[in-house]
Amino acid sequence: ILNVEQSPQSLHVQEGDSTNFTCSFPSSNFYALHWYRWETAKSPEALFVMTLNGDEKKKGRISATLNTKEGYSYLYIKGSQPEDSATYLCAFDTGKLIFGQGTTLQVKP
Amino acid sequence: DAGVIQSPRHEVTEMGQEVTLRCKPISGHDYLFWYRQTMMRGLELLIYFNNNVPIDDSGMPEDRFSAKMPNASFSTLKIQPSEPRDSAVYFCATQPEIGTGELFFGEGSRLTVL
Repeated sequence: ILNVEQSPQSLHVQEGDSTNFTCSFPSSNFYALHWYRWETAKSPEALFVMTLNGDEKKKGRISATLNTKEGYSYLYIKGSQPEDSATYLCAFDTGKLIFGQGTTLQVKP
Repeated sequence: DAGVIQSPRHEVTEMGQEVTLRCKPISGHDYLFWYRQTMMRGLELLIYFNNNVPIDDSGMPEDRFSAKMPNASFSTLKIQPSEPRDSAVYFCATQPEIGTGELFFGEGSRLTVL
């Protein structure tokens, strides 16, 4: 059974704080690691798809890193804003995508 | 493209009834996935198709669940007979290619079985 673990489960920060979450995944049969942002009452939307060990991707204030040898990825948000409040999901892609339980971020103004 | 289209958006039914959920994928996407979202388990993969062929249905909870993809434009997920524990949001998602392409999700079908 493939296990994708995310931590923390939830996070409350103040506007302007920087934060990061972790995604752990098996280090075998790796095709890609995905990050998705899921706002309440909407559908998940892709942030990043990373395939290579050492990959770093950035979109505005959000960035992600990937370590396939040790099986983890970090998502960073710099200067959190209330509109960043959402659940952030990672998914391990071996041909089928297995999702973690997500990290729910709440940014207080 | 209109994106992944799911119907119905909401369904309320009684235990024992048949439920059919529908999905129209994005044209040209080779992979189609059905996920179920619950508070307890998060997003669970039920089944996925490649070029209309079911590849892995190991996540289908039991024989009451079945899925088909008769052509590249349409997929169904059927529950017969439905039970209250099937209440969840069911998402269809498509992917243009394996391994590097992102998933595009439909808006989900919220099922309530009374």
